[in-house]
Amino acid sequence: EDQVTQSPEALRLQEGESSSLNCSYTVSGLRGLFWYRQDPGKGPEFLFTLYSAGEEKEKERLKATLTKKESFLHITAPKPEDSATYLCAVQAPWGRDDKIIFGKGTRLHILP
Amino acid sequence: DAMVIQNPRYQVTQFGKPVTLSCSQTLNHNVMYWYQQKSSQAPKLLFHYYDKDFNNEADTPDNFQSRRPNTSFCFLDIRSPGLGDAAMYLCATSRDTLASGFYEQYFGPGTRLTVT
Repeated sequence: EDQVTQSPEALRLQEGESSSLNCSYTVSGLRGLFWYRQDPGKGPEFLFTLYSAGEEKEKERLKATLTKKESFLHITAPKPEDSATYLCAVQAPWGRDDKIIFGKGTRLHILP
Repeated sequence: DAMVIQNPRYQVTQFGKPVTLSCSQTLNHNVMYWYQQKSSQAPKLLFHYYDKDFNNEADTPDNFQSRRPNTSFCFLDIRSPGLGDAAMYLCATSRDTLASGFYEQYFGPGTRLTVT
């Protein structure tokens, strides 16, 4: 069964304390892996798409990497405004169309 | 700015009373989605439209229906809401995969549904 698992479920960091969030997946034929940020009471906001193993994308304090089994979202010197839930999703073939599978997310809280 | 708009942002309905949630987009995307998201859970896909081609997820209850009268608008109808249907309902869009190859999704702000 295709699955996306994110860890940890929740993470509390001090401002400036770098860390990484993990997204591991088991799908047949990954087409793409996506990271989203979701603030409380709002819809997810698209951050990155990763297409193939070895690829990296960066945006401000965030860097996303991809291997054949997992993706990491690295947060460097985070600020309180980086507090949010970070969702990972994968796109995989499904019949004549593709399917998107979301993980449950990692709730990140940055303490000032 | 191009965007995905959902109305209303908050909806309260009574048990068993039909309710309709709406979504509009100015991105001109071919694909539109409805998700249900409960607290601390992953968004759960209910339906998606590829243009007017309707795709129902196998485990979406019959109580949920959807309409897409044109490219810009999509509606979610809940015929007889139960207490378990209280959730955030998210609308999303993406470009045609034939053009882009990938389903990067752009989400609206969501409608928080409360069932009393």
